[in-house]
Amino acid sequence: GNSVTQMEGPVTLSEEAFLTINCTYTATGYPSLFWYVQYPGEGLQLLLKATKADDKGSNKGFEATYRKETTSFHLEKGSVQVSDSAVYFCALSDLPNTGNQFYFGTGTSLTVIP
Amino acid sequence: NAGVTQTPKFQVLKTGQSMTLQCAQDMNHEYMSWYRQDPGMGLRLIHYSVGAGITDQGEVPNGYNVSRSTTEDFPLRLLSAAPSQTSVYFCASSYGAGALGYTFGSGTRLTVV
Repeated sequence: GNSVTQMEGPVTLSEEAFLTINCTYTATGYPSLFWYVQYPGEGLQLLLKATKADDKGSNKGFEATYRKETTSFHLEKGSVQVSDSAVYFCALSDLPNTGNQFYFGTGTSLTVIP
Repeated sequence: NAGVTQTPKFQVLKTGQSMTLQCAQDMNHEYMSWYRQDPGMGLRLIHYSVGAGITDQGEVPNGYNVSRSTTEDFPLRLLSAAPSQTSVYFCASSYGAGALGYTFGSGTRLTVV
């Protein structure tokens, strides 16, 4: 079946530090992969996505590369800001096999301190 | 602004009470779904709909009912609330293929006492 595994949090970084949040997946087919961000008290927002192997999704300085050989989609940012403090969710969609259903990781909480 | 609107934002229920969580979208999305978010468990799919008149169960459907009479609305009904249903509920919608990603509502925080 399909599943997503994220690194455990919480993660605390100083401003301008490098961020990596690990995400690995299991899928029966060739899924699309996503990172969502949830700011305090809000719903999830799509941060970036990649739909096929070796694609790189990017947005707001965040990047993630779809690695089929390692079944990974790690989120990175070179220099985090206080405003990046949020919970980050990795997710997959395997449209041909499971339709529009998304599979989410458990989320990783990030706190950036000045 | 276009998007997914959920009401209410907060609700406290007594055990055994029933209620309906409302969800509406104005983007003409075919696909709508309900998730619950619990600490350490991520988001779990309750029910989903691929279009008006069509609904199906997700991972954790027990205790919840849904209907989809219009493209815009997808209400979630709690039949007889239990403390285990204390959670944050999110409605989400998407247009067609899953590769486009979801648009989420801002959530309903439900407490059952």
